[in-house]
Amino acid sequence: NAGVTQTPKFRVLKTGQSMTLLCAQDMNHEYMYWYRQDPGMGLRLIHYSVGEGTTAKGEVPDGYNVSRLKKQNFLLGLESAAPSQTSVYFCASSYSFISPFARDSGFAGANVLTFGAGSRLTVL
Amino acid sequence: QQQVKQSPQSLIVQKGGISIINCAYENTAFDYFPWYQQFPGKGPALLIAIRPDVSEKKEGRFTISFNKSAKQFSLHIMDSQPGDSATYFCAASASGGYQKVTFGIGTKLQVIP
Repeated sequence: NAGVTQTPKFRVLKTGQSMTLLCAQDMNHEYMYWYRQDPGMGLRLIHYSVGEGTTAKGEVPDGYNVSRLKKQNFLLGLESAAPSQTSVYFCASSYSFISPFARDSGFAGANVLTFGAGSRLTVL
Repeated sequence: QQQVKQSPQSLIVQKGGISIINCAYENTAFDYFPWYQQFPGKGPALLIAIRPDVSEKKEGRFTISFNKSAKQFSLHIMDSQPGDSATYFCAASASGGYQKVTFGIGTKLQVIP
């Protein structure tokens, strides 16, 4: 199993350009997330999805859009990139609390995240 | 509003020493406290986790100590090794349905030979 795969791994954009980050997971997880990681700021949630066709805003959603047309994919879009969006972006997924995997782990009801390797975005 | 406060932000420990990272939370609804480990260029990965019904959980050289009354928990790395050099995030969430995972700010640990 590949787990969570993010593409691209690196990208340089000019201010005002648009792009899409793709996240794919092969674990049949219900929940998917996009985080950004910045020095001294930890991991901040941008958007998340609790199922195919649903999305919701996280802590820092401005300037980003997301879509989850298929259960295994979660796309993060930047319509007009800004230098403030220079960051490392991480996708994550998790099984729902009712999943048998949650019960077997001994943490029934817990939200155990599996992260991708990250996508480093630089906006000039 | 930082619901999970983590300290220190950086830590240098001699090989063989004990690394200690502390976290404090505010939300009493939290009942799941994981620690994630992140190596340079990689995504965070679950290292160890604890529920508040126990005061300590140990997995190899890694131990979580939990103080429910003080709303604090900590990660202890015994016999720290250079291979433990990474960024460590504490986190907390409640259970049931979709529950947001709140992360601490992260601690960059460097274990020197």
